Amino acid sequence: DAKTTQPNSMESNEEEPVHLPCNHSTISGTDYIHWYRQLPSQGPEYVIHGLTSNVNNRMASLAIAEDRKSSTLILHRATLRDAAVYYCILREIRSARQLTFGSGTQLTVLP
Amino acid sequence: DAGITQSPRHKVTETGTPVTLRCHQTENHRYMYWYRQDPGHGLRLIHYSYGVKDTDKGEVSDGYSVSRSKTEDFLLTLESATSSQTSVYFCAISEGNVGGYTFGSGTRLTVV
Repeated sequence: DAKTTQPNSMESNEEEPVHLPCNHSTISGTDYIHWYRQLPSQGPEYVIHGLTSNVNNRMASLAIAEDRKSSTLILHRATLRDAAVYYCILREIRSARQLTFGSGTQLTVLP
Repeated sequence: DAGITQSPRHKVTETGTPVTLRCHQTENHRYMYWYRQDPGHGLRLIHYSYGVKDTDKGEVSDGYSVSRSKTEDFLLTLESATSSQTSVYFCAISEGNVGGYTFGSGTRLTVV
């Protein structure tokens, strides 16, 4: 499985934008880029996914590099409730294979 | 989470006893997954299913079996529970190969 690399932790101030980076230099053409987050004592929550183009939804934006070897999850205005572990994961489209979770980025939001 | 329910939410069992965890979905999604989460290891896949009676192993399947006799139910069985299987277990569902997963709220299992 293609792997992803994320910083272990990041801090952000409340009400400011947050850019969470992810490197996936071995990504294949059929890998979708997924982001999930996990709040304390809860199951992971789907955030966003994309293939080549930038994507927006009500939770966040996903910016994908032109060569697809990296991506950035953007939270436009961090709140205290956004404090969580954020996982960047590649999902291969051609099979039923599972998402493989790495260690993720622990986001701390400071008031 | 809407559309997916895990039961029980908490369970304490003794070493050597069989345990079955249930995942129930109302979304009619094809794919279902069982993960375990432990400190220092993150989420690891145990087994997954890509249809009724179609299942396959994940990376940590030893000591676990699964069954899926109906689209809506995916059962995880610990044949003879061990202390190393103390963990939080998450079920997830997915409609297809592209979209996101929806996770359940988890089952906290303690084997004493």
